[in-house]
Amino acid sequence: QKEVEQNSGPLSVPEGAIASLNCTYSDRVSQSFFWYRQYSGKSPELIMSIYSNGDKEDGRFTAQLNKASQYVSLLIRDSQPSDSATYLCAVRVGSARQLTFGSGTQLTVLP
Amino acid sequence: NAGVTQTPKFQVLKTGQSMTLQCAQDMNHNSMYWYRQDPGMGLRLIYYSASEGTTDKGEVPNGYNVSRLNKREFSLRLESAAPSQTSVYFCASIGTSLDTQYFGPGTRLTVL
Repeated sequence: QKEVEQNSGPLSVPEGAIASLNCTYSDRVSQSFFWYRQYSGKSPELIMSIYSNGDKEDGRFTAQLNKASQYVSLLIRDSQPSDSATYLCAVRVGSARQLTFGSGTQLTVLP
Repeated sequence: NAGVTQTPKFQVLKTGQSMTLQCAQDMNHNSMYWYRQDPGMGLRLIYYSASEGTTDKGEVPNGYNVSRLNKREFSLRLESAAPSQTSVYFCASIGTSLDTQYFGPGTRLTVL
């Protein structure tokens, strides 16, 4: 079992809808959780980080963390075509300096 | 600030050739990383350097060597390239907060 699992997609949503991206992780000692966005042919960029259970909102983005279920999600409200990208979930175990990435979910927002 | 820079952007090698991928950051970060990204595989860590003078293996270190030349620079060397090393290589760095990991633009390597 991979340490960080994501639905590979592709996921398509209409413009203006809510896109929901999911990630599960296997190591219960995981402490820090990140969502990166990667446009085609570009490098990943951090869009959200979350460290404690519950929701964290930043503009149209909401990250949700449930450590008991080992589950982290990203909701994108009012999805725009410019949100079309691959979204990578990443996890840091304890105070380790390295991240473990999921394989990414490709999102397409249809105009 | 340029952030994280990588050279070259593209490279084509023949099997058995060697090359070094260069990475530099100007953010005074202690930790630097080399990843490879293959279709459907996400980012896999090759090697990382927690601080100047230290390096550690990641998930897929075989066939690679690294050098942390100074605080700014972290290079990745392929001694004898193989077609299985065809990939996109990303360098990244992170500051002491261990929060935001910044990525370079990537090197697209093809081994024939």
